[in-house]
Amino acid sequence: DIQMTQSPASLSASVGDRVTITCRASQSISSYVNWYQQKPGKAPKLLINAASSLQSGVPSRFSGSGSGTDFTLTISGLQPEDFATYYCQQSYSTPWTFGQGTKVEIK
Amino acid sequence: DVQLVESGGGLVKPGGSLRLSCAASGFTFSTYSMNWIRQAPGKGLEWVSSISSSTSYIDYADSVKGRFTISRDNAKNSLYLQMNSVRAEDTAVYYCARDRDSSGYSGIFDYWGQGTLVTVSS
Repeated sequence: DIQMTQSPASLSASVGDRVTITCRASQSISSYVNWYQQKPGKAPKLLINAASSLQSGVPSRFSGSGSGTDFTLTISGLQPEDFATYYCQQSYSTPWTFGQGTKVEIK
Repeated sequence: DVQLVESGGGLVKPGGSLRLSCAASGFTFSTYSMNWIRQAPGKGLEWVSSISSSTSYIDYADSVKGRFTISRDNAKNSLYLQMNSVRAEDTAVYYCARDRDSSGYSGIFDYWGQGTLVTVSS
């Protein structure tokens, strides 16, 4: 199975900050990485697929990059509604696997 | 609008059975692969099972293989998960999620239901 390791597990940031979350795959997975946002008590929401392709309706302050084993999700100019937990997920091969999540909290 | 509504969760004893359902609307259900994904309380996301649009392809996580069965009824726009021989570690919110690619199997989950809680306890 492909392991997805996110860092950090949590971070504190202020509105307007630039935030970067990293995700490392246990083997090369090309660009088969997706990013989800989950707010408390809600279902996850797909933000980015194929490492850098923004879903329709997702604000442009979200961006993704990377290929191979190392990937990043960047939020440029954190907004109050962005405080949530973010998960990376590989869609290279089954079993589809997720990172353990990064909780973005208000500083 | 795409809607996925899960039901069937509840309290079940270890070793017992439960059947989850997911009612889909707002898209052509019969052309999309579908998935079950779960989240234990306070934990991360775990993929459970997938089924292709025509049911020709079915896959399970090792943790549920042989105990859970995924199925679908395209005429009823519904997805199911039959859970047998449940264990305490199956306690989780179970989400149904649509695969993003019509007529494909991409492993990208673009729409999710609100989830249904399954609690396994004596």
